[in-house]
Amino acid sequence: DQQVKQNSPSLSVQEGRISILNCDYTNSMFDYFLWYKKYPAEGPTFLISISSIKDKNEDGRFTVFLNKSAKHLSLHIVPSQPGDSAVYFCAASGSQGNLIFGKGTKLSVKP
Amino acid sequence: DAGVIQSPRHEVTEMGQEVTLRCKPISGHDYLFWYRQTMMRGLELLIYFNNNVPIDDSGMPEDRFSAKMPNASFSTLKIQPSEPRDSAVYFCASSPTSGRVTGELFFGEGSRLTVL
Repeated sequence: DQQVKQNSPSLSVQEGRISILNCDYTNSMFDYFLWYKKYPAEGPTFLISISSIKDKNEDGRFTVFLNKSAKHLSLHIVPSQPGDSAVYFCAASGSQGNLIFGKGTKLSVKP
Repeated sequence: DAGVIQSPRHEVTEMGQEVTLRCKPISGHDYLFWYRQTMMRGLELLIYFNNNVPIDDSGMPEDRFSAKMPNASFSTLKIQPSEPRDSAVYFCASSPTSGRVTGELFFGEGSRLTVL
């Protein structure tokens, strides 16, 4: 049973608009959440993270929101750029420290 | 600085053959992870090591899979015998630690395995 779920396999957005990628989790013991970005033929790279004691973390065009009561987090990219086109993985970390990843959402930003 | 180095980048083999994937983590990182990526299951954790000791291998699919970390700078993932359903991209990742891992991993470029 998947503990981290990304229910949208793909998302298409126009350049300059907002991209919103969603992620749900089931384990309330997760206390650290991360987003990774992956280009074809490359390994995933860390993008942004948030601790469970916060509800928002911002880094430039990227903002992650955490709703603990709903066990939901989202990644907002504003404004979206063609170079943002990639697969985005949501991940969660618990007390053991290992990361549990979702299946990923493929974002396409069209010029 | 060198990142995580994996080899081979691509491997094509026939069913029944032994496959060995290799990983050199970032120097000074105490944690090493092996992940497998497939379309159906996304990124799955297979096994991870802390200071060369396997901590959790519950993600290893079956006895055909084995992983070792003989020293801090080298790890292998072996599949024997390989099967077509093992076809996937295998990622190695390492992480620094100061007690509790906060989760940021540094991934290699992956080894794409195709078993015919």
